[in-house]
Amino acid sequence: SQQGEEDPQALSIQEGENATMNCSYKTSINNLQWYRQNSGRGLVHLILIRSNEREKHSGRLRVTLDTSKKSSSLLITASRAADTASYFCAIQSYNTDKLIFGTGTRLQVFP
Amino acid sequence: GAGVSQTPSNKVTEKGKYVELRCDPISGHTALYWYRQSLGQGPEFLIYFQGTGAADDSGLPNDRFFAVRPEGSVSTLKIQRTERGDSAVYLCASSLVPRGLSYNEQFFGPGTRLTVL
Repeated sequence: SQQGEEDPQALSIQEGENATMNCSYKTSINNLQWYRQNSGRGLVHLILIRSNEREKHSGRLRVTLDTSKKSSSLLITASRAADTASYFCAIQSYNTDKLIFGTGTRLQVFP
Repeated sequence: GAGVSQTPSNKVTEKGKYVELRCDPISGHTALYWYRQSLGQGPEFLIYFQGTGAADDSGLPNDRFFAVRPEGSVSTLKIQRTERGDSAVYLCASSLVPRGLSYNEQFFGPGTRLTVL
């Protein structure tokens, strides 16, 4: 399969806790992106990190990238019940604009 | 402004039938992408267009699948002789940045849920 792998497959936490999701991939990349999806529809772009970047922040989101290990992590700090969704990483290579998605992490945040 | 729209939102058909799924991208976006998402999986790339031409159709699973974008805006994904395994959510996305630049954000539509009985 071309898809990357994410772990954990599912994560349940309480509001206020931090959530960490990991993504591994197999090919060289131009950039890696994280998306959120509610109820099996409507993918929303969260953040992009380029291959020459190691860490990026956006609000409560922190993304790291380790190209030597071909892995990335997404950290959501101070989680809220509204963060409940599926989260996908997606890689983009240099020679194409298509996205290759991971298998996703289902996050459940309990109030 | 309007986002990416897809019609129909749901489509139920019988095995062997022909279906068309429509995508209206964000106005002015030059690139358009089709993905397919099976239950519990991440989206899987099918095809993308730069303008009217298919820049990469390597994800189309077989020759029953075909997509067009005749005027460089609306796109139609066509599936012939549907099979039960074609059941999935078909997602469309569009982006403004042309190929060749280092980054493009893809904006996704809500998808069409196809069920083949």
